[in-house]
Amino acid sequence: EVQLLESGGGLVQPGGSLRLSCAASGFTFSGYAMSWVRQAPGKGLEWVSVISYSGGETYYADSVKGRFTISRDNSKSTLYLQMNSLRAEDTAVYFCTKGGGTSCYSSMGYWGQGTLVTVSS
Amino acid sequence: DIVMTQSPDSLAVSLGERATINCKSSQSVLYSSNNKNYLGWYQQKPGQPPKLLIYWASTRESGVPDRFSGSGSGTDFTLTISSLQAEDVAVYYCHQHYSIPFTFGPGTKVDIK
Repeated sequence: EVQLLESGGGLVQPGGSLRLSCAASGFTFSGYAMSWVRQAPGKGLEWVSVISYSGGETYYADSVKGRFTISRDNSKSTLYLQMNSLRAEDTAVYFCTKGGGTSCYSSMGYWGQGTLVTVSS
Repeated sequence: DIVMTQSPDSLAVSLGERATINCKSSQSVLYSSNNKNYLGWYQQKPGQPPKLLIYWASTRESGVPDRFSGSGSGTDFTLTISSLQAEDVAVYYCHQHYSIPFTFGPGTKVDIK
């Protein structure tokens, strides 16, 4: 059974940093692209970032480019999102998602339960 | 960026009746080299993460009831629930993964009439 377990969310002040983790199990982690998608309270879904199966390709939404860094450790089956220079508008539930294959350009077949990030003073 | 729009914003349908949600992309999401539409549909129930229902615009994900179907190509797509059940109350999103940045539609809320 595929499981994605996010952690690392919490309350942080504007300008602060946070690192999210997503522990994956139930599939061959190194064989799949992975993404982060966020959802602000009461709002719709916003794609944040994607990383290829090897980590060699990474892409970002304009809203987070230069502030967020996606990475993965295939030996630990773990996905990360390093978030720096956080703003109030980054407040959201962050979901870890599993892609449909090695390509970044795939649908997201599995989602974690999400971790809440709140940026506030 | 590809802008995704959905209509209607919300709809209320009687149990057992058909629900139809439309999604339009500002550019084609059909990749000519493999003839696949890079378009997915997701269902999100309150307090839960989204769930993939349909990928490649018309392929039902494993385990998804066959009352859910997707159609369309290029820039115009439709999600149809052929016979609405109580458990289908949710927000439905279309999503393009054809070009980066990937984008979602604003969502359509489906309720029981």
